[in-house]
Amino acid sequence: EADIYQTPRYLVIGTGKKITLECSQTMGHDKMYWYQQDPGMELHLIHYSYGVNSTEKGDLSSESTVSRIRTEHFPLTLESARPSHTSQYLCASSLSGDTQYFGPGTRLTVL
Amino acid sequence: DQQVKQNSPSLSVQEGRISILNCDYTNSMFDYFLWYKKYPAEGPTFLISISSIKDKNEDGRFTVFLNKSAKHLSLHIVPSQPGDSAVYFCAARAQTGANNLFFGTGTRLTVIP
Repeated sequence: EADIYQTPRYLVIGTGKKITLECSQTMGHDKMYWYQQDPGMELHLIHYSYGVNSTEKGDLSSESTVSRIRTEHFPLTLESARPSHTSQYLCASSLSGDTQYFGPGTRLTVL
Repeated sequence: DQQVKQNSPSLSVQEGRISILNCDYTNSMFDYFLWYKKYPAEGPTFLISISSIKDKNEDGRFTVFLNKSAKHLSLHIVPSQPGDSAVYFCAARAQTGANNLFFGTGTRLTVIP
């Protein structure tokens, strides 16, 4: 079982603020992912990374950006939060591209 | 267009009986399928997976069946326990690109003591 951490777990913030959601894993997985999930809906991929300095956008268009400077760290940034960004953000990692292991998620509310 | 579908939003089962959760998919390029369990305010927890070259995989009380011709998979939990109550997501992996997972909308399982 992978150890993958996300902070903060909950975030309530005002419109226009810049936020960074942290994701770290200690298993040395090369592949990392960010998913977004609204209540009662499926998870949608918004960003992924195959390794250091590799980032790509996922299937769901997102105004967020990501970086991968270190293998274990894959933060997601919103430059100017809006109420439409309110959602749960889930980070995952994978060694081989098969099973993905998820962090506990960050529930973001933008007022 | 949703490529992985879980048409039953909820399922209630008596403790000790079998729970059967179903999932359908449309993309014939999917080669790996997974089931995740999710509690509120937590991330999905991996349960069991199956490769497209198999039709059955078993792990303790959990068995996943894959019918490629019907593009259908199911998760059987026997016997069901109250601690199994959660939302179960079916996911499928594409062979190309990011190897990202495509998820269904989930089925909420309630096991009644």
